[in-house]
Amino acid sequence: SAVISQKPSRDICQRGTSLTIQCQVDSQVTMMFWYRQQPGQSLTLIATANQGSEATYESGFVIDKFPISRPNLTFSTLTVSNMSPEDSSIYLCSVVWDGGYEQYFGPGTRLTVT
Amino acid sequence: LAKTTQPISMDSYEGQEVNITCSHNNIATNDYITWYQQFPSQGPRFIIQGYKTKVTNEVASLFIPADRKSSTLSLPRVSLSDTAVYYCLVGAFTGNQFYFGTGTSLTVIP
Repeated sequence: SAVISQKPSRDICQRGTSLTIQCQVDSQVTMMFWYRQQPGQSLTLIATANQGSEATYESGFVIDKFPISRPNLTFSTLTVSNMSPEDSSIYLCSVVWDGGYEQYFGPGTRLTVT
Repeated sequence: LAKTTQPISMDSYEGQEVNITCSHNNIATNDYITWYQQFPSQGPRFIIQGYKTKVTNEVASLFIPADRKSSTLSLPRVSLSDTAVYYCLVGAFTGNQFYFGTGTSLTVIP
């Protein structure tokens, strides 16, 4: 089965700084998504990463705070900008392969903002 | 927008069948129903997906009534390793809308 990896796996950052999270898949995928999971909570969709165009953001999430890139069919980045302690969460990418309907998730990036 | 409701937690003894129900009263015509399993410090893992009636795979069954306003995940003969959080997801890729339920924390007791 295909492998989905995320870098970094975890990080501790100071408020006001930015962190870029990478999601790499070892085969081409149709769709890529970014989620946030706050401690003890369910997953919340941040945005759909669109290849070659701007990401589609869900209500409550904006491009200035969470810029997303997807330069090709196997790679995407999510940046958490101007971080505050409220951004402390696990950030997960998920993918959908062509012809499928189910999502497959990466291992997540645990972010702590101090 | 399809929102989902699940029980917060459930306990079960090893070897028993576990049924977890998810309510999704506002499900749309093109929405699929998908269940995921999540262990601590891991990403969710796909379990099963369906549109209507019954779907079965090697790990679970999914029952969906005709009105599709609810669904039930059935785990046969659970073991301790099935202790996890189970999420119900309702959505359609064309709408790019995915709403995870609150999740059900299943604890399997020896």
